Amino acid sequence: DAKTTQPNSMESNEEEPVHLPCNHSTISGTDYIHWYRQLPSQGPEYVIHGLTSNVNNRMASLAIAEDRKSSTLILHRATLRDAAVYYCIPPLIQGAQKLVFGQGTRLTINP
Amino acid sequence: GAVVSQHPSWVICKSGTSVKIECRSLDFQATTMFWYRQFPKQSLMLMATSNEGSKATYEQGVEKDKFLINHASLTLSTLTVTSAHPEDSSFYICSASVTTIDNSPLHFGNGTRLTVT
Repeated sequence: DAKTTQPNSMESNEEEPVHLPCNHSTISGTDYIHWYRQLPSQGPEYVIHGLTSNVNNRMASLAIAEDRKSSTLILHRATLRDAAVYYCIPPLIQGAQKLVFGQGTRLTINP
Repeated sequence: GAVVSQHPSWVICKSGTSVKIECRSLDFQATTMFWYRQFPKQSLMLMATSNEGSKATYEQGVEKDKFLINHASLTLSTLTVTSAHPEDSSFYICSASVTTIDNSPLHFGNGTRLTVT
């Protein structure tokens, strides 16, 4: 099974961009990379996912390395509401959609 | 967007009693739902996969007789913590997907905080 590695915590300032890294060196060629985040006392919420090329949505951008062994979640202008734990999820178990959560990165946003 | 609702959002019960937690998909049907629990300062741990019309599939180390899961309809799964003890106090979260297509996003409920006294 593919594993992911993320920094335990990161800190940034409000209205500045944030780059959250994730290493997934054992990923296979057809595995998607998923990101979720969990705000305090809430269930996780989907952020973004991608396979090979960079992806953008209203919440964030996902930059995937050419060798796919790492990716970076980009919040273009962080707000206080973006303070959360961000999870880079190993590829879904094929056909089962089971998400396995690691420890994630706790993002703190300073006003 | 797809909404998953959990009820109750919090519950306090006495040791030895049972507690039922509901997970509903409000605007879509979900043949599969997932149950997680989360202890303070820790990540989510998958407990079981709830399958509509069939038995749940439990992860290793999760007692199926203690955590009863029923998925009687396409929009409702329930988790019953039987004979609860203080060590069962945790944050329980369910999730569901709109489709069964691999890699489609999962939608999570807002969790149920269980405190056993």
